[in-house]
Amino acid sequence: DAGVIQSPRHEVTEMGQEVTLRCKPISGHNSLFWYRQTMMRGLELLIYFNNNVPIDDSGMPEDRFSAKMPNASFSTLKIQPSEPRDSAVYFCASRTITGEQFFGPGTRLTVL
Amino acid sequence: GQQLNQSPQSMFIQEGEDVSMNCTSSSIFNTWLWYKQDPGEGPVLLIALYKAGELTSNGRLTAQFGITRKDSFLNISASIPSDVGIYFCAGPNNFGNEKLTFGTGTRLTIIP
Repeated sequence: DAGVIQSPRHEVTEMGQEVTLRCKPISGHNSLFWYRQTMMRGLELLIYFNNNVPIDDSGMPEDRFSAKMPNASFSTLKIQPSEPRDSAVYFCASRTITGEQFFGPGTRLTVL
Repeated sequence: GQQLNQSPQSMFIQEGEDVSMNCTSSSIFNTWLWYKQDPGEGPVLLIALYKAGELTSNGRLTAQFGITRKDSFLNISASIPSDVGIYFCAGPNNFGNEKLTFGTGTRLTIIP
């Protein structure tokens, strides 16, 4: 059974460019979470969805960040325009009905 | 936001030794999750605990849900090189809350 799938695994871009990160949750999980991890701040929740609907986006840093979940099997996190301080590892996780979250392998983003 | 305190922050042990780490909170948790993160990968769920006093094993790993519901413990017996990584505790701190609070992590290093 495939776990959470994220793409790309690595992204290097220049400041000002648009970045789109993709996630496919585990089939049957109805909640999806986007996290950001840095050495300084650890794991931070950015936004999460229930049944494709955004529930809490209070962790989204600013208007440059947006997330969508057009269907149960796909979500995107977009940064536009990107800045060097956005460099981090971005994780997607999906959740079982009993509350266990399963993480994807992450996308390591470097903004030059 | 609320944070779970993990201790120790780091451990240096020899292969074959047993490991103990714990996680404490000032508020009650209804679920405790223990994750391990390898370098360059996403956190992997090791053990989930749902009831105060519960003791659950997964191979050489054993975790306990503290009776006060404000702490949890993870033990690793007879450590091996692949146990190296960062261990995180996590839990939803309010009943029905889908957002996880993560601990600060315990970094385990095995000395050859």
